[in-house]
Amino acid sequence: DAGVIQSPRHEVTEMGQEVTLRCKPISGHNSLFWYRQTMMRGLELLIYFNNNVPIDDSGMPEDRFSAKMPNASFSTLKIQPSEPRDSAVYFCASSLARGYGQPQHFGDGTRLSIL
Amino acid sequence: QQQVKQSPQSLIVQKGGISIINCAYENTAFDYFPWYQQFPGKGPALLIAIRPDVSEKKEGRFTISFNKSAKQFSLHIMDSQPGDSATYFCAATEFAGSTLGRLYFGRGTQLTVWP
Repeated sequence: DAGVIQSPRHEVTEMGQEVTLRCKPISGHNSLFWYRQTMMRGLELLIYFNNNVPIDDSGMPEDRFSAKMPNASFSTLKIQPSEPRDSAVYFCASSLARGYGQPQHFGDGTRLSIL
Repeated sequence: QQQVKQSPQSLIVQKGGISIINCAYENTAFDYFPWYQQFPGKGPALLIAIRPDVSEKKEGRFTISFNKSAKQFSLHIMDSQPGDSATYFCAATEFAGSTLGRLYFGRGTQLTVWP
């Protein structure tokens, strides 16, 4: 079975540019989570969706960050304009939010470098 | 505010030794406590999990010990191997509530097992 698929795996861009990260969750999963991982702050939850609806975006650092989930099989995280402090590894995870103990399945992340 | 506190930040163990990572939480509504393992260049993956009505769970060389009254839980890796070298995250969630399986992660422990 295909896991969570993220693209691109690596992104290097200049400050001020728009960055779009993509995620395809596991088929049948109805919750999707976006995380950011840095050495300084660890693994931070940015936003999560349930049935394509944003539930909690309180982790989104600034208005420069936005996320969408237009359908059950696709989500994007956009940064516009990007800044060097946005450099991090961004993970997408999905789960079946029904019943106890359903684990989150993570993609392999997008390593973002803003120059 | 960090909902789950994890220590130590890093751990070096000799091959064959026991690795112990500790976590503490405050929210008594948490009802599921997973541990995730992350290798370099990969996303975290579920390793083992426990529910609060059980004091211990063992899977192979990995054991979770849970102390509900102290609001603490720990991961023990017996006979640690170089292949166990990874970052370990404890987490907690409240499946019975309305957070739809949202995980609160600890800051992570980087484990190195020397051969």
